[in-house]
Amino acid sequence: EAQVTQNPRYLITVTGKKLTVTCSQNMNHEYMSWYRQDPGLGLRQIYYSMNVEVTDKGDVPEGYKVSRKEKRNFPLILESPSPNQTSLYFCASARGNSPLHFGNGTRLTVT
Amino acid sequence: AQSVAQPEDQVNVAEGNPLTVKCTYSVSGNPYLFWYVQYPNRGLQFLLKYITGDNLVKGSYGFEAEFNKSQTSFHLKKPSALVSDSALYFCAVSPFFSGGYNKLIFGAGTRLAVHP
Repeated sequence: EAQVTQNPRYLITVTGKKLTVTCSQNMNHEYMSWYRQDPGLGLRQIYYSMNVEVTDKGDVPEGYKVSRKEKRNFPLILESPSPNQTSLYFCASARGNSPLHFGNGTRLTVT
Repeated sequence: AQSVAQPEDQVNVAEGNPLTVKCTYSVSGNPYLFWYVQYPNRGLQFLLKYITGDNLVKGSYGFEAEFNKSQTSFHLKKPSALVSDSALYFCAVSPFFSGGYNKLIFGAGTRLAVHP
């Protein structure tokens, strides 16, 4: 089944403790992206990648890092999480002009 | 600044009645326009898109959307609502000049509640 898989689905952590949210797609898509969803703000793009070893900042990249060493994986790294990064995170992938395929989300709480 | 507006936080409709979820945008050039739906505890699912051609676009689950260039709108419609249509709906715009998805701008979302 074609899918975008994010792990974990839920994560509670404390301020400053580094964490990684994994994202993997099995559709051989070139494009991958991370979004955060906050009430009243919709989805805002954090980082995106057009292909392996090619990443670029989205609209809200501060406090996040990404890497794209393999085509299928696009992990999101929070080196020193803060409470304002409490949010619902989505990974998505696409090829060419095809619609974005989204993962089921990761709900992160930073205390 | 480029933006997408969904003026209604929530739309309430009786089952069997037509529904409209509104979207307007402010993007230069000829953008690609999308509607996505989000069910509880799930990611967004693609409903339909407009790139060029006929202003009325048909999509999944009986939904359609009408592109109006002069009003810069892309309203989502369905002739007869179902209770199972209750979800969060997002309008999104990809500015043409960016070549596709690298600058997909989402609206804040509209919650559709269909009552039996």
